[in-house]
Amino acid sequence: QITLKESGPTLVKPTQTLTLTCTFSGFSLSRSGEGVGWIRQAPGKALEWLALIYWDDDKRYSPFLNNRLTVTKDTSKNQVVLTLTNMEPVDTATYYCAHSYRSGYLYDYWGQGTLVTVSS
Amino acid sequence: EIVLTQSPGTLSLSPGERATLSCRASQSLRNSYLAWYQQKPGQAPRLLIYGASNRATDIPDRFSGSGSGTDFTLTINRLEPEDFAVYYCQQYNGSPPTFGLGTKVDIK
Repeated sequence: QITLKESGPTLVKPTQTLTLTCTFSGFSLSRSGEGVGWIRQAPGKALEWLALIYWDDDKRYSPFLNNRLTVTKDTSKNQVVLTLTNMEPVDTATYYCAHSYRSGYLYDYWGQGTLVTVSS
Repeated sequence: EIVLTQSPGTLSLSPGERATLSCRASQSLRNSYLAWYQQKPGQAPRLLIYGASNRATDIPDRFSGSGSGTDFTLTINRLEPEDFAVYYCQQYNGSPPTFGLGTKVDIK
């Protein structure tokens, strides 16, 4: 059974860097075809894809976030870490991590999400 | 970037009725790389349909998807009370993947 869970701060100040951790079980990010993506959803808004990391450490990022994103993995800990620099109030959202297999952008299992508020 | 336009924005129906949701892509989706997700308040999205017409694991057969190219449809036959939710389409044809703005199916 695949599960994922996001963790990190619930409140960050403008200009700070957000670091979120996705801890997962039920699959290994060292297996060919596996991937973990990050998607966010501002309150009352639609879903927005942010980033993806593959089993082979290949990475993809949203072109709309001006190089503010970094995604890394720790296979031994079954964790993926997302950082988003220079946080702004518009980055207030629920952040989800999700599992993909073979198709990096199709997400079959999702974490519960974590709400991050950006405010001074 | 591929833009997905969902319609209608809201669909008001009664339990037992059929829901027909539309998703139109701004360019043709190779291999029909189109998925549908269901989202209930306070919950993560749940994958319903992938490849335009393939049901994901444990999805009831009252959910069906169809379409190709730029026009796709999600049909929910005989709405159950638990089906009232927001539905998003997503294209995974390439990077970046994009989502539609959603269709809310609410109780009439």
